[in-house]
Amino acid sequence: AQKITQTQPGMFVQEKEAVTLDCTYDTSDPSYGLFWYKQPSSGEMIFLIYQGSYDQQNATEGRYSLNFQKARKSANLVISASQLGDSAMYFCAMRELGDNTGANSKLTFGKGITLSVRP
Amino acid sequence: NAGVTQTPKFQVLKTGQSMTLQCAQDMNHNSMYWYRQDPGMGLRLIYYSASEGTTDKGEVPNGYNVSRLNKREFSLRLESAAPSQTSVYFCASRQASPLHFGNGTRLTVT
Repeated sequence: AQKITQTQPGMFVQEKEAVTLDCTYDTSDPSYGLFWYKQPSSGEMIFLIYQGSYDQQNATEGRYSLNFQKARKSANLVISASQLGDSAMYFCAMRELGDNTGANSKLTFGKGITLSVRP
Repeated sequence: NAGVTQTPKFQVLKTGQSMTLQCAQDMNHNSMYWYRQDPGMGLRLIYYSASEGTTDKGEVPNGYNVSRLNKREFSLRLESAAPSQTSVYFCASRQASPLHFGNGTRLTVT
């Protein structure tokens, strides 16, 4: 079974509007972290936001927020006030910490969602 | 402020040739990783090194070897390249969260 599922086809949003990118995950580990990365057309991977499984509040970083619904195992990325520069591919990822300090834990990625912002 | 540096940026190989992708980080991170990115597949882990002196297989290790030369450097070797290894390769490192990525190596095997 896939650990990270991103099923939306290419997403489109009008500039200045908000958009939600979906991510569901599958784990039996009670301790895990969820990440979102942005990959613009230039190819680099840019870290956006992190949510720990024990965090009580949803993470926010500027225009990015993470809608974390633990019972539903979803970690959707919300981008407010979209800008043309937000056009990119977005990846959701998870790290399961297991019993150790996390030194051996690996980041598992979803297949990504392409977002296009229209002027 | 280099972060994670990968070389080369681009490479074209013929089937059966060998090559080593180099990766170095200057952030004193313990853990280092090699991923490959293929269209529609996201990023898949090839090998990782939790600390200097250790390496472990990831999801797609076949056809690759790695060396954690020291704390800074983690290289990926293709002994006999195959067209199926045409991909974009990313090296990454971390100490805590999150992963810090290099800019990638675009490899084409003909």
